[in-house]
Amino acid sequence: DVVMTQSPLSLPVTLGQPASISCKSSQSLVHSDGNIYLNWFQQRPGQSPRRLIYKLSTRDSGVPDRFSGSGSGTDFTLKISRVEAEDVAVYYCMQGTHWPFTFGPGTKVDIK
Amino acid sequence: QVYLQESGPGLVKPSETLTLTCAVTGASITRYYWNWIRQPPDKGLEWIGYTHYTGQSNYNPFLRGRGTMSVNTSKNQFSLTLRSVTAADTALYYCARYNGDYRSFDFWGQGTMVTVSS
Repeated sequence: DVVMTQSPLSLPVTLGQPASISCKSSQSLVHSDGNIYLNWFQQRPGQSPRRLIYKLSTRDSGVPDRFSGSGSGTDFTLKISRVEAEDVAVYYCMQGTHWPFTFGPGTKVDIK
Repeated sequence: QVYLQESGPGLVKPSETLTLTCAVTGASITRYYWNWIRQPPDKGLEWIGYTHYTGQSNYNPFLRGRGTMSVNTSKNQFSLTLRSVTAADTALYYCARYNGDYRSFDFWGQGTMVTVSS
């Protein structure tokens, strides 16, 4: 199975400041079709996961443009340009290139 | 809008069989692959498997043959049966829709908590 790791696992941030989460995979996530199927999910306290980004960098409908995804091969990043109070959540990366699909351990973002 | 709603027993005894159901509204059950994903208390997410109305299913190897998924097209719902449960199966179980165009889970249910305990 592809192992997904994330860092940091805890990220205290100041409101209005940027935040960045790293996600690494144990093997390349470049699919045979040339796409990278890397997703980011947000799980707010007491809620189910909500997809923010799919196929490396495409934002879901309704997701603020302060969220962006990037990366290549085995290294990926989720950036929040200016953190807002509603962004307090656990963020998971998930690879959809190789079955079984696997998730990272999650990064908890909270406010300093 | 697509909605998924899980239902289940809440509490199951060790070695017994767990059955969960996911009711889907806003999408035809015949048009997608349908998944179960679980989250043990204070832990991360784990994909369990998917099923399709044609009978095709694929399971995560960690199940070791204990799991079966199926689709009920007349009720627009799908189910997970997990046999010989142990405390390690205690988790919040989510159902989710798989979008093959993006190889991703785009809609999730709210989750149903299952505790395995005598």
